[in-house]
Amino acid sequence: AQKVTQAQTEISVVEKEDVTLDCVYETRDTTYYLFWYKQPPSGELVFLIRRNSFDEQNEISGRYSWNFQKSTSSFNFTITASQVVDSAVYFCALSSPKNAGNMLTFGGGTRLMVKP
Amino acid sequence: EPEVTQTPSHQVTQMGQEVILRCVPISNHLYFYWYRQILGQKVEFLVSFYNNEISEKSEIFDDQFSVERPDGSNFTLKIRSTKLEDSAMYFCASSETRPSYEQYFGPGTRLTVT
Repeated sequence: AQKVTQAQTEISVVEKEDVTLDCVYETRDTTYYLFWYKQPPSGELVFLIRRNSFDEQNEISGRYSWNFQKSTSSFNFTITASQVVDSAVYFCALSSPKNAGNMLTFGGGTRLMVKP
Repeated sequence: EPEVTQTPSHQVTQMGQEVILRCVPISNHLYFYWYRQILGQKVEFLVSFYNNEISEKSEIFDDQFSVERPDGSNFTLKIRSTKLEDSAMYFCASSETRPSYEQYFGPGTRLTVT
């Protein structure tokens, strides 16, 4: 069975602070894929990133960066110099090619509040 | 930029009624999905659909639920006899192909069962 845990249910920061959202996953599969999605107050789910299990290279996209560590089964997401528009719920998710239907298993989400 | 669309944005129905939620996936995508999110909770997988048949379904997706691709563009989720606990946001998603390509989500349909 697969599982994704986001231990931080809610984080509050002041604008311009850096913030890291934690994601820990469990899977028995050797090949798997990890994702981050953003859910702003308007409610839609916005794809941010996909990562393959065999590619541990960290990724940076503007103010966003992701740290994937297989040794600790973690895929953490850092926002540098946070902005009010970053306020949202962020979900980490996992899928495996062994799942016939390609389903995503989501974590419980972390609500990030960025105050001006 | 192509996007997944869903109608209606909000549906209110009485317990025991049938509802059909509609989705138009991104046109060149081959895999289609339904997820739901009960208010304040995590997003849960319901069903995936490929090549005109269900590829996987969760235990939530019982006999009350069905999916259909009635034509080349629409993808529907039907709940035959709604219950109060079916109240949730229902998201449709689509992906281009496998393995595990990113899924693009629609804006959701909020279903309220009274």
